[in-house]
Amino acid sequence: EVQLLESGGGLVQPGGSLRLSCAASGFRFSSYAVSWVRQAPGKGLEWVSAISGSASSSYYADSMKGRLTISRDNSKNTVFLQMNSLRGEDTAIYYCAKDQRPGVLGAFDNWGQGTMVTVSS
Amino acid sequence: QSALTQPASVSGSPGQSITISCTGTSSDIGNYYLVSWFQQHPGKAPKLMIYEVSRRPSGVSNRFSGSKSGNTASLTISGLQAEDEADYYCCSYAGGNIVLFGGGTKLTVI
Repeated sequence: EVQLLESGGGLVQPGGSLRLSCAASGFRFSSYAVSWVRQAPGKGLEWVSAISGSASSSYYADSMKGRLTISRDNSKNTVFLQMNSLRGEDTAIYYCAKDQRPGVLGAFDNWGQGTMVTVSS
Repeated sequence: QSALTQPASVSGSPGQSITISCTGTSSDIGNYYLVSWFQQHPGKAPKLMIYEVSRRPSGVSNRFSGSKSGNTASLTISGLQAEDEADYYCCSYAGGNIVLFGGGTKLTVI
């Protein structure tokens, strides 16, 4: 059974940093890209970032480019999202999601339960 | 990178069929057969219902179907059931390793 488990969310002050983790199990981890998708309270889904299975390539949405670094450790089946210079509008549930098949971004067939990030003073 | 456009809400009665549209551009929906649809119940993570425009993952009811014409994709739910009441999001690959979501559509089963 595929499982994705996010952690690392919490309350952070504006301008602060946070590192999210996504621990995966149940599939050949290094073969699949993993994305982060966020959802602000009462709002829709927004794709934020993705990293290829081999970790050789990383991709970012314009809304957070320059403030994010995505990485992965395939020996630990874990993806990380380092978020810097956080703003109030970054307050959201952050989900990690796995692609349905290698090489195709966007068909996320498995999602974690999400981790809440609150940016507030 | 503009979000895809969906109606804010749709409604239907049990047993009826409804269609949710998702409009993009020639750079995203119009250029790739990589449109997905997700269902999200309150407080839950999204669930993949359709991928690659019209394909259903294992376990998803055949009451759900997808299609695309030009820059617009559509999700049709036939034989509406109370449990279908949820938010629905379209998603498309937009080239350059970018993914776009629609703003979401709230489906109410009256």
